[in-house]
Amino acid sequence: DGGITQSPKYLFRKEGQNVTLSCEQNLNHDAMYWYRQDPGQGLRLIYYSQIVNDFQKGDIAEGYSVSREKKESFPLTVTSAQKNPTAFYLCASSLRGSSSYNSPLHFGNGTRLTVT
Amino acid sequence: ILNVEQSPQSLHVQEGDSTNFTCSFPSSNFYALHWYRWETAKSPEALFVMTLNGDEKKKGRISATLNTKEGYSYLYIKGSQPEDSATYLCASGGSQGNLIFGKGTKLSVKP
Repeated sequence: DGGITQSPKYLFRKEGQNVTLSCEQNLNHDAMYWYRQDPGQGLRLIYYSQIVNDFQKGDIAEGYSVSREKKESFPLTVTSAQKNPTAFYLCASSLRGSSSYNSPLHFGNGTRLTVT
Repeated sequence: ILNVEQSPQSLHVQEGDSTNFTCSFPSSNFYALHWYRWETAKSPEALFVMTLNGDEKKKGRISATLNTKEGYSYLYIKGSQPEDSATYLCASGGSQGNLIFGKGTKLSVKP
């Protein structure tokens, strides 16, 4: 079955350490996205990529970095510069890259990151 | 930043009740309005994507309407069932699929 896989499901890190969250899709989708959820807030966009080797900042990109070296993979690194990294992170993909506003998002199951 | 608002924040209904929720969004530079259902311990699932003013879409007992001129969308559930219990998210955004999500409406359906 095609889908999006995020790993791990739970991740614990010490403050000051960088951590990378994995997101892999086998849907052959062009576009991929990273969202963050905090209690009482809507999903907020961190980064997105419409095509391999290209990505754009979302609304809350500070303290995060991404890469898109392969179509299937869009890893997110939470750096030590991110002031409040503890959150639930969701990865998503959609079929089309450019003009993808009318393509529904397909989501992974998320990674819950706790930084102490 | 585009602001997408949903109301109510939560809703408790009895099995068999029909219900509806609202999503409001800025009407300028509109591209699309998405609805998702997010059940506990699962990932959000797309319900509808609507792009044209006056669009109406239906999937089983769930339907949605879109008014882009005034910037709102309604989601209707007819004859709610316990399995409809979930958080319903709406989202709107830019041309590249970079969606802005509302905070969601949490629906609880009691048997």
